[in-house]
Amino acid sequence: DVKVTQSSRYLVKRTGEKVFLECVQDMDHENMFWYRQDPGLGLRLIYFSYDVKMKEKGDIPEGYSVSREKKERFSLILESASTNQTSMYLCASSSGSGSDSYEQYFGPGTRLTVT
Amino acid sequence: GNSVTQMEGPVTLSEEAFLTINCTYTATGYPSLFWYVQYPGEGLQLLLKATKADDKGSNKGFEATYRKETTSFHLEKGSVQVSDSAVYFCALSPVSGGYNKLIFGAGTRLAVHP
Repeated sequence: DVKVTQSSRYLVKRTGEKVFLECVQDMDHENMFWYRQDPGLGLRLIYFSYDVKMKEKGDIPEGYSVSREKKERFSLILESASTNQTSMYLCASSSGSGSDSYEQYFGPGTRLTVT
Repeated sequence: GNSVTQMEGPVTLSEEAFLTINCTYTATGYPSLFWYVQYPGEGLQLLLKATKADDKGSNKGFEATYRKETTSFHLEKGSVQVSDSAVYFCALSPVSGGYNKLIFGAGTRLAVHP
């Protein structure tokens, strides 16, 4: 079974802190994604990566950056956390080819609170 | 642009009732369509999918048919159980845009009571 793990389930940070959210997948997937989930808004794509060291902005990249130094690991960085970044953050991965390449596998999420 | 619209929740049903959650989409060409489910405290998992018009996806008693003429992909189940209580997301994978990105609806919360 594909497994996507996220470093923390719950995180509380102060305004202005630098925050790292880590995601690891064990299926050798090429594509990895970071979303935020907010009530009434569904999932919104922050950034995605289609290969090591490659990244593309999603729909809401402002205030975030990402890092992918190894294929299995994709990090989301909040350079200076703000209260409007309080949210649930979900990581996902998918393979880069084949008929099921569009199926994304999700981690359990990190609920981040910025005070 | 591409978008997905779902019926607003919460949807509250008694056990064994019939379920319909409406989903319509806007997209060019023939996108692939998906339903994902999120159980309490968990991430999303794929429930079912359809990749071309008139395809029917099914899993765990849930079904959805890809209707190109009405741009819809409604989720149905004939008899819901308490264990089906979750948030359901409709999603599409655009024809262009690459890297298998998904566009999600806002989600519909389902609560099933005994």
